[in-house]
Amino acid sequence: EVQLLESGGGLVQPGGSLRLSCVASGFTFSGYALSWVRQAPGKGLEWVSVISGSGGTTYYADSVKGRFTISRDNSKNTLYLEMNRLRVEDTAVYYCAKDLTQWELPHTTAFDIWGQGTMVTVSS
Amino acid sequence: EIVLTQSPAILSLSPGERATLSCRASQSVSSYLVWYQQKPGQAPRLLIYDASNRATGIPARFSGSGSGTDFTLTISSLEPEDFAVYYCQQCSSWPITFGQGTRVEIK
Repeated sequence: EVQLLESGGGLVQPGGSLRLSCVASGFTFSGYALSWVRQAPGKGLEWVSVISGSGGTTYYADSVKGRFTISRDNSKNTLYLEMNRLRVEDTAVYYCAKDLTQWELPHTTAFDIWGQGTMVTVSS
Repeated sequence: EIVLTQSPAILSLSPGERATLSCRASQSVSSYLVWYQQKPGQAPRLLIYDASNRATGIPARFSGSGSGTDFTLTISSLEPEDFAVYYCQQCSSWPITFGQGTRVEIK
């Protein structure tokens, strides 16, 4: 079964840091681009960042550029999101999501597999 | 950044009725338009990609159409499990963007 499982969320003070992980199973991990998508409480979906299958290409939303870093370890089937200088407005459920196809970035098709999400709360 | 505007915000219908959801892009996205369904407490579920292709396991009552800037998701006959929030997403250019969602609720 194809699965993504996030972890690492929690409560952090403004200005703090957190590292999210997403462990994958059931597919050829290195063959697919992976994204982080977040959803603030009661709000819609916001794409955060994407990384290519090889890890050589990354893109970020303007709202997190310079503060968040996406990476992956293909030997561990794990995706990461390092979040620094966190703000109250970063409070959200963070999902990792797998691209439907094995196209190389910048092409992307859709997110066919999503994790269950991990909650990040930034508050003093 | 491409802005997606979904309408209506809320659609109140009864089981068995037809649902028509709209998504308009601020500039052409060709056919790179995706639809998701999300239920409370769950991750989004892929329904339609490339504007009109149903994802694996999606029932035939879900269909997508459109190209350029105007797109439609149609649910031909609503089942009880279809009452949820629906989001469109464009994959034409980065940053990927989502619409604000349409809630389909039971009338």
